[in-house]
Amino acid sequence: DIQMTQSPSTLSASVGDRVSIACRASHSISSWLAWYQQKPGKAPKLLIYKASILENGVPSRFSGSGSGTEFTLTISSLQPEDFATYYCQQYNNPWTFGQGTKVEIK
Amino acid sequence: EVQLVESGGGLVEPGGSLRLSCVASGFHFSTYAMNWVRQAPGKGLEWVSTIVTGDNALYYDDSVRGRFTISRDNAKDSLYLQMNSLRADDTAVYYCVRYGHGDVPFDYWGQGTVVTVSP
Repeated sequence: DIQMTQSPSTLSASVGDRVSIACRASHSISSWLAWYQQKPGKAPKLLIYKASILENGVPSRFSGSGSGTEFTLTISSLQPEDFATYYCQQYNNPWTFGQGTKVEIK
Repeated sequence: EVQLVESGGGLVEPGGSLRLSCVASGFHFSTYAMNWVRQAPGKGLEWVSTIVTGDNALYYDDSVRGRFTISRDNAKDSLYLQMNSLRADDTAVYYCVRYGHGDVPFDYWGQGTVVTVSP
């Protein structure tokens, strides 16, 4: 199975900061990579799919890049509502998630 | 509006069984693959199982294969997860999740149902 590794596990940042989260796949997954946001007590929300395509309604400050084994989620200017945990997911069968990155207030 | 509503969670002893249900609305259920994803307390997301359309092919994570069975009833717009031989490490919130069309993966999630396996 393909393993997904995110870094960092926790990221401390301030409102207005540009932040990036890395996700590495143990084998090439082409562009079959999604990013999800989860807030405490809530279900995850799809942000980006196929590595760089923004889901409908997701603010343009979110962007994704990468292919093969290396991927990045970037938030260009962190907003108060963006403090949450972010997961990457590869969606070649079987489907696996990264361990998550918590973005917290600095 | 797409809605996924899970039910059936609860407290069960190790070795016991539970059947989770998910009722879908707001979309043509029979044309979408569906999934179960779980999240143990304080932990990350873990894919559990997928059922596709057409041939209704079934997929399972190794940790549940042989113990869990995913199924669907398109006439009732419902997804199920039969969980047998439950273990303490099956304790989690279980989410019903729609698999999008085309290149879109898990695009809609239910609110989750809590399963606790404990003596």
